[in-house]
Amino acid sequence: GQSLEQPSEVTAVEGAIVQINCTYQTSGFYGLSWYQQHDGGAPTFLSYNALDGLEETGRFSSFLSRSDSYGYLLLQELQMKDSASYFCAVESQDTGFQKLVFGTGTRLLVSP
Amino acid sequence: NAGVMQNPRHLVRRRGQEARLRCSPMKGHSHVYWYRQLPEEGLKFMVYLQKENIIDESGMPKERFSAEFPKEGPSILRIQQVVRGDSAAYFCASSPPVRLAGASGNEQFFGPGTRLTVL
Repeated sequence: GQSLEQPSEVTAVEGAIVQINCTYQTSGFYGLSWYQQHDGGAPTFLSYNALDGLEETGRFSSFLSRSDSYGYLLLQELQMKDSASYFCAVESQDTGFQKLVFGTGTRLLVSP
Repeated sequence: NAGVMQNPRHLVRRRGQEARLRCSPMKGHSHVYWYRQLPEEGLKFMVYLQKENIIDESGMPKERFSAEFPKEGPSILRIQQVVRGDSAAYFCASSPPVRLAGASGNEQFFGPGTRLTVL
């Protein structure tokens, strides 16, 4: 089967940088995605990595190491509106392509 | 360009009743996914459908739950004889028919969800 592990909660202050880690176990890995979800809202896509390295999208970056089965989401210049839950999700041959298996999520609390 | 639409947004049912949840994917999207989310938990995959076909239902409970995506009309997630444990947020997501080249992988677009409460 597949499993993903993320920290349950991370706290930071406005303007800081925070890293949310995700480790996964699966067969036939294809890609790792990140989604953001505000309380009561719908998940929205943030980033995707299929190859090793860093993908940068504005204040958010995502990193993948396939050999370590590890990735992280990096949020820079934190703003209050970044307070939300962040989910990593894996797509693999094991899960069936097109289907995403989500981690349990990391709740980010940004304080003034 | 309307996003993924779900209705109703909130649904209250008594134990034993049926719940019917609807999802209209984004225009041009032919892949639909249903997820269930309990409070303070992640999204649990339930079923993946394409028009008139169930592709993967490995996350669906074997009894009382069914899903369809007809040729015309929205995708429907149907829960028969609901129990209190069915209370959750149910999200629908859609993706385009052709996997887009580039950085987004299988980006899924989520609807606002249906919050089901079973009394």
